[in-house]
Amino acid sequence: EIVLTQSPGTLSLSPGERATLSCRASQSVSSSYLAWYQQKPGQAPRLLIYGASSRATGIPDRFSGSGSGTDFTLTISRLEPEDFAVYYCQQYGSSRSLFTFGPGTKVDIK
Amino acid sequence: QVQLQESGPGLVKPSQTLSLTCTVSGGSISSGSYYWSWIRQPAGKGLEWIGRIYTSGSTNYNPSLKSRVTISVDTSKNQFSLKLSSVTAADTAVYYCALQKYYYGSGSYYTYFDYWGQGTLVTVSS
Repeated sequence: EIVLTQSPGTLSLSPGERATLSCRASQSVSSSYLAWYQQKPGQAPRLLIYGASSRATGIPDRFSGSGSGTDFTLTISRLEPEDFAVYYCQQYGSSRSLFTFGPGTKVDIK
Repeated sequence: QVQLQESGPGLVKPSQTLSLTCTVSGGSISSGSYYWSWIRQPAGKGLEWIGRIYTSGSTNYNPSLKSRVTISVDTSKNQFSLKLSSVTAADTAVYYCALQKYYYGSGSYYTYFDYWGQGTLVTVSS
């Protein structure tokens, strides 16, 4: 089973700053099966990025994804007040038909 | 736009079976491009994928829960359901149903959870 590790656990930043979130896999992951989600308190997760770098419908272009193999990154170029939330990466392992999520990175207001 | 809504008891006794239903609106559960998943999240913790079903009835489960999970689909009602047996306090969580999109494009297969229900809290307690 592929394990996803996210760092840092918490990122304290101010509005307008750049956020860089890391997702590392225990073994190589197909980029097309790597996604990122945003979750705010009391809400369901929302798809941000799929295929490691494609923005989902309606997602602002300040969100971008990159990476391949075992290292993936979600970047928020300039934090808006509504971006303070928890972010999860997720991968799909086709060989075992298994989805796994990372533990999440909380982006909070400094 | 597809909408999903979970329903079921909010309180289940230990050792009993948790049963939830997800009702899909705005789209057909029989669409060939989608799988239908259950995901859960204990309070203050991360997300755990439980399993999924295709319109044909084909299922995949998380190995950590496989012995206790059954997911089924009722295409006539546009619903799919989750049963989790022999529950303990560790199964207390918010349970989400989600639409998993799966498609081939630009030389690769892509998959992700495109739409989610609002979630329903299930507490296991006597």
